[in-house]
Amino acid sequence: AQKITQTQPGMFVQEKEAVTLDCTYDTSDQSYGLFWYKQPSSGEMIFLIYQGSYDEQNATEGRYSLNFQKARKSTNLVISASQLGDSAMYFCAMREGLNFNKFYFGSGTKLNVKP
Amino acid sequence: DTAVSQTPKYLVTQMGNDKSIKCEQNLGHDTMYWYKQDSKKFLKIMFSYNNKELIINETVPNRFSPKSPDKAHLNLHINSLELGDSAVYFCASSQFRGRTNTGELFFGEGSRLTVL
Repeated sequence: AQKITQTQPGMFVQEKEAVTLDCTYDTSDQSYGLFWYKQPSSGEMIFLIYQGSYDEQNATEGRYSLNFQKARKSTNLVISASQLGDSAMYFCAMREGLNFNKFYFGSGTKLNVKP
Repeated sequence: DTAVSQTPKYLVTQMGNDKSIKCEQNLGHDTMYWYKQDSKKFLKIMFSYNNKELIINETVPNRFSPKSPDKAHLNLHINSLELGDSAVYFCASSQFRGRTNTGELFFGEGSRLTVL
């Protein structure tokens, strides 16, 4: 079974609007971490935001926030007020409790922001 | 100062050759990784070292051999290169300290390997 599932290969959003990128995960551990990374066309991997499994509040970082639904095992990324520079690949990732060193990545979502 | 640096950034070579990619991190992290990103952008873990000890060794051909001379360096040597080895190889490091930090992966810029 896939550990991380991103069901949206590609998404379009109008500039200045909000967009939600979906991510579901599969784990039986109680302790785990969830991450989102951005990969622009230049290729570097940029860490955006983190949610710990014990965190009760949804994580927020500037225009990025997570809609963390633990019972549904989903951690959707919300980008508010989209900018042209947000056009990139977005990867969801999980680090499981049993092996703190192993990160699983989803297949990514390509976001295009239209002017 | 670059936190995770890898060289070379681009590598073009012929099938059958041997090549190496070097990685260094100055973050003081204990754990380092090699990831392969294929043409469909899928990121696959290859190896992970913790304090110079190999802790993750995914299903990777024996032609790939990592080496960690110290915890700040993790190199990747590839023998007898094949067309399917063409990809971007990312080095990364992390340091997880329980609930006191996020322990995210810090990535290098990637090394794009093209095998002709």
